[in-house]
Amino acid sequence: AQKITQTQPGMFVQEKEAVTLDCTYDTSDQSYGLFWYKQPSSGEMIFLIYQGSYDEQNATEGRYSLNFQKARKSANLVISASQLGDSAMYFCAMREAGSGYALNFGKGTSLLVTP
Amino acid sequence: DGGITQSPKYLFRKEGQNVTLSCEQNLNHDAMYWYRQDPGQGLRLIYYSQIVNDFQKGDIAEGYSVSREKKESFPLTVTSAQKNPTAFYLCASSRDRGRPEQYFGPGTRLTVT
Repeated sequence: AQKITQTQPGMFVQEKEAVTLDCTYDTSDQSYGLFWYKQPSSGEMIFLIYQGSYDEQNATEGRYSLNFQKARKSANLVISASQLGDSAMYFCAMREAGSGYALNFGKGTSLLVTP
Repeated sequence: DGGITQSPKYLFRKEGQNVTLSCEQNLNHDAMYWYRQDPGQGLRLIYYSQIVNDFQKGDIAEGYSVSREKKESFPLTVTSAQKNPTAFYLCASSRDRGRPEQYFGPGTRLTVT
């Protein structure tokens, strides 16, 4: 069964606008971590933000914030003030306590920022 | 500069040949990972290692082998038993404690014909 679901294959946003990328997850563990990565066309995976399952506050890193709704098992990424350089694939991932350190990735959302 | 290096960036092989992908890190991380990415897909775990001389299979380990003789190095061999080896391969590492995020290398794009 898919542990990470990203339902938006592609998204468009205008420069300077905010955009939300959706991510839902499935786990029976109490302790887990949620991650967002950016993959530009070069292929390298760039870490953006992390949220632990016990963290009470939503994580923020600069223009990135994670809207964590534990009861709904959702961990949406919000990018504020989009820039042209934000155009890339975005992947949501989860690490469960029971699977060592490995990450489960979703299939990704392609974001295109337009002028 | 600290980071993860993978070489080469592009690799071409004939079907039936084994090929070894290099992954080196100077971040002093204990854990290292290999992922495979196919077009339009997320990453899938091949193998991971949390300590020298020890490694575990991931979701798609069949047709692959690894070694971890040094903390800095985690090479991946794609054997002739791997039925669909053409893919983008990414190596990552992470700390054993503290911040849990994985840091990735630039990847190797393997094409087998």
